[in-house]
Amino acid sequence: QIQLVQSGPDVKKPGASVKVSCKASGYYFTDHSITWVRQAPGQGLEWMGWVRSNYGNTRFGLGQRFQGRLTLTSDTSTNTSYMELSSLTSEDTAVYYCARGGAWDAFDVWGQGTFVTVSS
Amino acid sequence: QSVLTQPPSASGTPGQWVTISCSGTKSNIGSNTVNWYQHVPGTSPKLVIYANAERPSGVPERFSGSKSGTSASLTIRGLQSEDEADYFCAAWDDSLQGGVFGGGTKVTVL
Repeated sequence: QIQLVQSGPDVKKPGASVKVSCKASGYYFTDHSITWVRQAPGQGLEWMGWVRSNYGNTRFGLGQRFQGRLTLTSDTSTNTSYMELSSLTSEDTAVYYCARGGAWDAFDVWGQGTFVTVSS
Repeated sequence: QSVLTQPPSASGTPGQWVTISCSGTKSNIGSNTVNWYQHVPGTSPKLVIYANAERPSGVPERFSGSKSGTSASLTIRGLQSEDEADYFCAAWDDSLQGGVFGGGTKVTVL
């Protein structure tokens, strides 16, 4: 069955980096992009960016919301997409989701979410 | 502050109709299709409407969507207890060159 399985919860100190994985199965990984979305406690969903699974091209949006702190990569040998966020602050505490689809696509498959806590 | 505007809450008794609005601009809803997601806290979001009005396989027929100009709406016809969730609209924004979400509408079944 088609699914995205993410890595487990993580706790980081301010200033550190976190890397979340998203392993795809049940479909041709390179046929679909992966988008990353996060939800801070009590807040709505926030689009972060997307990565083409075949070539690794990324798009983060013009707003520079994450000011160069965000790296999205794709490993076709393991059908896994990665999201790395650096220089963490408490405002980065959130559940991070990967979802199948990019740009104008509807996100039809979602990972289970990874809770990242940033605390000293 | 979300780019797309949704009411924070909506409610109804079982069997009633509930409509959720989503307001945007010409650079997002006005130029691109709208998708709707159902999110029960503690679970992953689920796509319930894509391309403004299309329903994915497995989504009950009571869910429908529409779009006009720079606004869209999601209607649940015949509300059921399992429909209690947060609902988010989403679209691509040509000006921002990124995806945008609404702030979410919490639907309560009374």
